Amino acid sequence: KQEVTQIPAALSVPEGENLVLNCSFTDSAIYNLQWFRQDPGKGLTSLLLIQSSQREQTSGRLNASLDKSSGRSTLYIAASQPGDSATYLCAVRRTPSNAGGTSYGKLTFGQGTILTVHP
Amino acid sequence: NAGVTQTPKFRVLKTGQSMTLLCAQDMNHEYMYWYRQDPGMGLRLIHYSVGEGTTAKGEVPDGYNVSRLKKQNFLLGLESAAPSQTSVYFCASRVWAKEKLFFGSGTQLSVL
Repeated sequence: KQEVTQIPAALSVPEGENLVLNCSFTDSAIYNLQWFRQDPGKGLTSLLLIQSSQREQTSGRLNASLDKSSGRSTLYIAASQPGDSATYLCAVRRTPSNAGGTSYGKLTFGQGTILTVHP
Repeated sequence: NAGVTQTPKFRVLKTGQSMTLLCAQDMNHEYMYWYRQDPGMGLRLIHYSVGEGTTAKGEVPDGYNVSRLKKQNFLLGLESAAPSQTSVYFCASRVWAKEKLFFGSGTQLSVL
């Protein structure tokens, strides 16, 4: 059974600091990994998606890396801003089974890291 | 585009009552999902649908039923609500060939 762990559970940093959020998973047979952002009382917004064959993806100040062999992904946020304050979740999608069907599309989520960037 | 819309946003039920949560998407997505989010548990998949008229169980389906009579709508039903079903429920959808998920803003349900 895939388990996804995010460390730290909460992080508070001053504005302008570069920071790294960590995500680890127990089963390396993944199809892809996604990073999401969740604002209080809101749904999740997809930030970055890394296919299993890729090593990293970048979007603006965000950079996500993937190391399948070690079961780890990191989300790097450069020059953090108060507007970056949110909960960040990673999720891994299992590689489709040979039988197809029910195994495909299932995401396993981590519990999230609550990020606070203070002015 | 409204994206993914969930109704209601908040609801309080008494144990044993029933209700239906509605998810509507206007992006012509084939795949739709219902998740629940609980403190310390992350998001867990309840049921999902890969197309109109088809549904399948996720990892925590007990106590819930779903229907996908129209492509744009995915309904989640609780026939006899229990306090253990107190949670925040999220609907999500995506195009079958794309990995990006679009989420609704959630329904906060309390069962007393």
